[in-house]
Amino acid sequence: NAGVTQTPKFQVLKTGQSMTLQCAQDMNHEYMSWYRQDPGMGLRLIHYSVGAGITDQGEVPNGYNVSRSTTEDFPLRLLSAAPSQTSVYFCASSARTDQPQHFGDGTRLSIL
Amino acid sequence: RKEVEQDPGPFNVPEGATVAFNCTYSNSASQSFFWYRQDCRKEPKLLMSVYSSGNEDGRFTAQLNRASQYISLLIRDSKLSDSATYLCAVDSSYKLIFGSGTRLLVRP
Repeated sequence: NAGVTQTPKFQVLKTGQSMTLQCAQDMNHEYMSWYRQDPGMGLRLIHYSVGAGITDQGEVPNGYNVSRSTTEDFPLRLLSAAPSQTSVYFCASSARTDQPQHFGDGTRLSIL
Repeated sequence: RKEVEQDPGPFNVPEGATVAFNCTYSNSASQSFFWYRQDCRKEPKLLMSVYSSGNEDGRFTAQLNRASQYISLLIRDSKLSDSATYLCAVDSSYKLIFGSGTRLLVRP
């Protein structure tokens, strides 16, 4: 049972570089979301999607882009990495927002 | 003000103690509520959903107070293995918003 798969698990970037964090789920879930977690801050919602072709901003969207071309995939793009984006990133999915979220293992991202 | 707020703790309790956490939310239209457990910044895992009538799962009891806009989690007979961070999550306008988490330390 794959569930929610995030890649990579770890990444180090230099300031100004761009990269894409991958997220895929095999449960045919309509709702997918990206969170970042910093010490003492809990999970903060970056972007979310209620279905293929539909995305919207969460609490902290600046500096990130998303797209949802298929039900399975929801990549998160950092356009120009900044040290403030050093964090642990979690992708999650569920059938609907009133259903429990399934989380990936997380991507630990450091930006120097 | 954040949409979902929790006391960050830490709550430091002896084994066998009963401990309760609260979580307040600001969107009165919210309909779905959850408690998650997170260990050492691993991925959060669902502990329990919170139903309007209240619900219990073994040593854990969750309650919802719509009038005062908070949910609660009660842990009875605390075990060392209950040491973790407990996150509440609230469905707010099709977004699931998390609180910052409450850290629980259970000591021998």
